[in-house]
Amino acid sequence: KQEVTQIPAALSVPEGENLVLNCSFTDSAIYNLQWFRQDPGKGLTSLLLIQSSQREQTSGRLNASLDKSSGRSTLYIAASQPGDSATYLCAVRDSSYKLIFGSGTRLLVRP
Amino acid sequence: NAGVTQTPKFQVLKTGQSMTLQCAQDMNHEYMSWYRQDPGMGLRLIHYSVGAGITDQGEVPNGYNVSRSTTEDFPLRLLSAAPSQTSVYFCASSYGGRGKNEKLFFGSGTQLSVL
Repeated sequence: KQEVTQIPAALSVPEGENLVLNCSFTDSAIYNLQWFRQDPGKGLTSLLLIQSSQREQTSGRLNASLDKSSGRSTLYIAASQPGDSATYLCAVRDSSYKLIFGSGTRLLVRP
Repeated sequence: NAGVTQTPKFQVLKTGQSMTLQCAQDMNHEYMSWYRQDPGMGLRLIHYSVGAGITDQGEVPNGYNVSRSTTEDFPLRLLSAAPSQTSVYFCASSYGGRGKNEKLFFGSGTQLSVL
């Protein structure tokens, strides 16, 4: 059974720092992996989607990488800002085509 | 530019009551799904649909029914509410399934409490 883990569960950094959020999954047979952002009391917003054949995707200050063989993905946020404060979730599309979510990393960027 | 619209935003039910959570999207998406989000457990898939007239079960389907009579709408029915169904419910849609544009769009959620 596919399991998705995100470490750390919470992270607090000063503004301007570059940071890395981690996502690991137990079964490398995936179709794709997505990173989402969730603001308090709101729905999820898709940030980046990486197909299984790809190694990374970039959007602005965000860069997501995928290493299927090791079951890992990282979300790199450059020059963090207070507006980046949110919960970040990763999700993998597994071999049965279900989207399996991690429980998220709660990020606080301090001014 | 509505995207995915969920109603209601908040609901309190008594044990045994039934209700329907509404979800509508205006992007002509084929794929729609319902998730519940519980503290420490991430999002879990309840039911999903790959097109009008087609639905299937996710991880946690018991106690919930769905139907997909139109492309736009995908209501979730709680048949007889139980305290274990207290959760935040999200509807999500995407243009298509396998091999198509799979970027998911989420509604803003329904916070449900069952007393």
